Amino acid sequence: SQTIHQWPATLVQPVGSPLSLECTVEGTSNPNLYWYRQAAGRGLQLLFYSVGIGQISSEVPQNLSASRPQDRQFILSSKKLLLSDSGFYLCAWSVRGNYGYTFGSGTRLTVV
Amino acid sequence: AQSVTQPDIHITVSEGASLELRCNYSYGATPYLFWYVQSPGQGLQLLLKYFSGDTLVQGIKGFEAEFKRSQSSFNLRKPSVHWSDAAEYFCAAVRNTDKLIFGTGTRLQVFP
Repeated sequence: SQTIHQWPATLVQPVGSPLSLECTVEGTSNPNLYWYRQAAGRGLQLLFYSVGIGQISSEVPQNLSASRPQDRQFILSSKKLLLSDSGFYLCAWSVRGNYGYTFGSGTRLTVV
Repeated sequence: AQSVTQPDIHITVSEGASLELRCNYSYGATPYLFWYVQSPGQGLQLLLKYFSGDTLVQGIKGFEAEFKRSQSSFNLRKPSVHWSDAAEYFCAAVRNTDKLIFGTGTRLQVFP
């Protein structure tokens, strides 16, 4: 069966520290992968979108980056966290052209 | 630019009352439309979706939504709300690309 794993569930990091959030998908090949951020009062904002290994589209200018080193692995990173990076981060996947989206359980990031 | 608007940030209803959550979209052509629900600290669960055909769509948990092309709307409804329906609700749309765009969400509070 198809599943999506996202970790960690919660994270508290100091300002200026690095970040690495990982998302992996099982049971499918060549998925589209997405990173969304949910900040208070701002809904779900699409941050990054990937259609294949090494192919990353950044949707909004920000302090974060994303990488896709393997077909079913999607990593969200930062070299130096800002307070404004706090939020709830959701990974998702879909089959190209299928429009069925599956979301991970999310990571609550608090930058202090 | 493509966008999804949820005009109501917060709605409060009494248990047993009817509910309507509003959603409007701005796209060059009719997109595919979705409603998701997010319980506190959780990921997203799909309630229903509209691709084409019958403009009244039935979903899970007793929810339905009606697509109105003339109003560029896709409002979510439930005839009788239960306390367990308290959550955040997101309308979303996709068109031409696989990038799912969300509205800012509506937080539903249910009073006994």
